[in-house]
Amino acid sequence: AQKVTQAQTEISVVEKEDVTLDCVYETRDTTYYLFWYKQPPSGELVFLIRRNSFDEQNEISGRYSWNFQKSTSSFNFTITASQVVDSAVYFCATNTGFQKLVFGTGTRLLVSP
Amino acid sequence: DAGVIQSPRHEVTEMGQEVTLRCKPISGHNSLFWYRQTMMRGLELLIYFNNNVPIDDSGMPEDRFSAKMPNASFSTLKIQPSEPRDSAVYFCASSFQDRNEQYFGPGTRLTVT
Repeated sequence: AQKVTQAQTEISVVEKEDVTLDCVYETRDTTYYLFWYKQPPSGELVFLIRRNSFDEQNEISGRYSWNFQKSTSSFNFTITASQVVDSAVYFCATNTGFQKLVFGTGTRLLVSP
Repeated sequence: DAGVIQSPRHEVTEMGQEVTLRCKPISGHNSLFWYRQTMMRGLELLIYFNNNVPIDDSGMPEDRFSAKMPNASFSTLKIQPSEPRDSAVYFCASSFQDRNEQYFGPGTRLTVT
């Protein structure tokens, strides 16, 4: 069965530091998708990225970047020059079947000024 | 375009009472999902609909929980009778059928005393 492991429960950094959130997934599917979501203190879940298993190119969006490595079943998320507004819980997920998502337990990121 | 809309945002009720949570998906989305989030169990998928039809309700905890989607723009999740262990944040999410990233509503925080 599909499974997502986020081993880091909580990470604390000081503003402007770079931080990487780890995500390791398990799946028996040959085609699958990986996702990251952000849950700020206000509570909503915000979609950040969707990655197809056939596309191993790294993606960069502003200060955010994602590193997908099939060989290690990892889909890590890096925030460059972190800011206080990045403080949130970040969830990694994969799909089971086409539409159901399986979420990791989340990593709480605390960015202090 | 408006995002997923949920109501109420907060609900406090006494054990044994009926609770109805409401969701309006993003216009044009044809898949709708109900999740529950607790500290102990994280994010759990309760049920999802495709084109208003329930596809998978294996996550519904017990017969006290029921969900309906009478049309493409409205869904309800009902708990009857409610119990203290139902206290959680309930999220509704929607997606296009052929793109599986889900967009979440702000959630309903339910407290059963």
